[in-house]
Order: sequence, then structure tokens, then C-alpha cells
Amino acid sequence: DAKTTQPTSMDCAEGRAANLPCNHSTISGNEYVYWYRQIHSQGPQYIIHGLKNNETNEMASLIITEDRKSSTLILPHATLRDTAVYYCIVRVESGGSNYKLTFGKGTLLTVNP
Amino acid sequence: GAGVSQSPRYKVAKRGQDVALRCDPISGHVSLFWYQQALGQGPEFLTYFQNEAQLDKSGLPSDRFFAERPEGSVSTLKIQRTQQEDSAVYLCASSSTGPSAGYGYTFGSGTRLTVV
Repeated sequence: DAKTTQPTSMDCAEGRAANLPCNHSTISGNEYVYWYRQIHSQGPQYIIHGLKNNETNEMASLIITEDRKSSTLILPHATLRDTAVYYCIVRVESGGSNYKLTFGKGTLLTVNP
Repeated sequence: GAGVSQSPRYKVAKRGQDVALRCDPISGHVSLFWYQQALGQGPEFLTYFQNEAQLDKSGLPSDRFFAERPEGSVSTLKIQRTQQEDSAVYLCASSSTGPSAGYGYTFGSGTRLTVV
């Protein structure tokens, strides 16, 4: 799986949009971008994933650059409960032993009142 | 249940003691995974079950670690002769969408093991 690079930490004001970047310059054509988050004392939680088109669900939006070398997770109206470590993971969708999720250290997002 | 349940929530073990960590996956979930998370790090894969079959145990750190899922539902991770480096949060996840879909995982809240 391609390696990802994320900032160690970010801050965001409550009610504002939180934009979390992820670099994955070595991504392959069949690799998806996944985002998970981990709230303190809880297990990771799936947020969203995409291949090359932008994606949106009830939790967030995922913007992937045209060259697919980077992406941004957007929380449109951050709340205090969004304070968590956010992990960007790149992996092949199917085939082989791809059931493993390879987490890095992620980005600690702190939403401030 | 509605989610993945892990017990105990916290475990303190004396060095050399054996421990057993339990995972109750979501009913009907075929795939079950164990991950280890050291302080300040992301979770790392330990082992994977499909029903009762352990298909991958490549992430287990040593032969002191053993996992089982005898009836294809509840799983137990056992650590023998615990060492201080075993101190970590042990996370269990289950999936209904098949092991290849990275979006179908539901994680439990983990068991925090502290070896003193």
C-alpha cells in the first residue's frame, strides 16, 4: 500500500470547516483513499473513501486532486465532538491480502470552542 | 449487539502473568480482526479470522500471542508470560462486507493492557 503523509496536528474553531490534508504521491491507479478517525478511548471509525471522484456523505467530503497525489478531508461544520485523530489510508480495494488497514500516526484535530 | 464489544475494558497484569482478552463481534459478521495500538501510534494489524479459520497471523509479535475463534463468533486473544512491551490497547474489529472492503470495519473500544 502507498505511504501517506499527514500533519501531526491541526486546530479548528467550532462551527468552521476543518480541512485535513493527506499526501500520497506514490498512489497506484487501483488504490483507494480511505479516512478513519479515532476519538479518545474509542476504536477507529470509518468516515469516507474514494478512488478519483470527490465524495460526500453525511459525515464529510473527500476531495482528491486530479493527479491523485493528495486529498483533503473536509468536515463542513466542525463540532467539539469532532476532536479526534484522523487517519488517511491508501489501499487496494480487493484482491490478495488487502484486508489489513495500515494506519500511520494520523492528524490530531482539536476543535476549539 | 449493536457494536463490537470487548472485555475487559482495562487490564493490569504483573510481568509474567497470562492474560485473555475477549471480543464479541457484531452478530453475523464473518471477518474478525485484532489490532495492537501502542501509545501515540496508529493501530497495527495482528491477525485475521474468516469465521473460525485464522487466515493470517503474520502480525502477532511473538509466539506468546495466540488468538482463537472456535465457533466463528466470539474471539479471544491470549498473551502468555506478559512483558512490559506488551502494554498497549488491543482493538478488535469485525466486518460484514468481506475482508477486502476497507469501509466495512466496525471497531470495538479496545482493551487497555498495562503490564507492571
